[in-house]
Amino acid sequence: ILNVEQSPQSLHVQEGDSTNFTCSFPSSNFYALHWYRWETAKSPEALFVMTLNGDEKKKGRISATLNTKEGYSYLYIKGSQPEDSATYLCALNNDMRFGAGTRLTVKP
Amino acid sequence: KAGVTQTPRYLIKTRGQQVTLSCSPISGHRSVSWYQQTPGQGLQFLFEYFSETQRNKGNFPGRFSGRQFSNSRSEMNVSTLELGDSALYLCASSLALTGAFNYGYTFGSGTRLTVV
Repeated sequence: ILNVEQSPQSLHVQEGDSTNFTCSFPSSNFYALHWYRWETAKSPEALFVMTLNGDEKKKGRISATLNTKEGYSYLYIKGSQPEDSATYLCALNNDMRFGAGTRLTVKP
Repeated sequence: KAGVTQTPRYLIKTRGQQVTLSCSPISGHRSVSWYQQTPGQGLQFLFEYFSETQRNKGNFPGRFSGRQFSNSRSEMNVSTLELGDSALYLCASSLALTGAFNYGYTFGSGTRLTVV
């Protein structure tokens, strides 16, 4: 079992703020990292699959970076909107066991 | 194409009973994984089925079991229900077995089980 740690556990920001959070993982035997967004009353939705060290992926105002040597990935949200409020989860492709998530609340 | 379908959506059971939940994956997906989410907890991995065989198992008691059929549909069974089994149960399907590269999971809407 590969322990995936996410921080912070929760985050409250104002609309328009940019924010970021972290997914940390063991750097040995890295294959791929998955990011998901889970909105209340919906199913978790895939955001990104990160594979290469230095990878940067972007979807609208959300982007993610990957550092496999030091074992972390950052998720950035630029100009947060209330609809970004969700729990953001990461998991390693090796076993798809998810971190505890970062719960983001964006206040209007 | 149809997504991942879980039935039923809601279920209320009494302590000591057993329950069976169903998951139909996306057509062509051969891997089905099950997760439990309880209040304040993240997604806890239960097990994964691929080609009708359990391939991975999380740290849950033997009361939790599952199976997968030849059409990749999967069922999860919980016997002798306890109050602590009240949770949202999610299934997720993917093309490949976990560990091989996959483009991620597609999740169902979940079954909310309440044990009273």
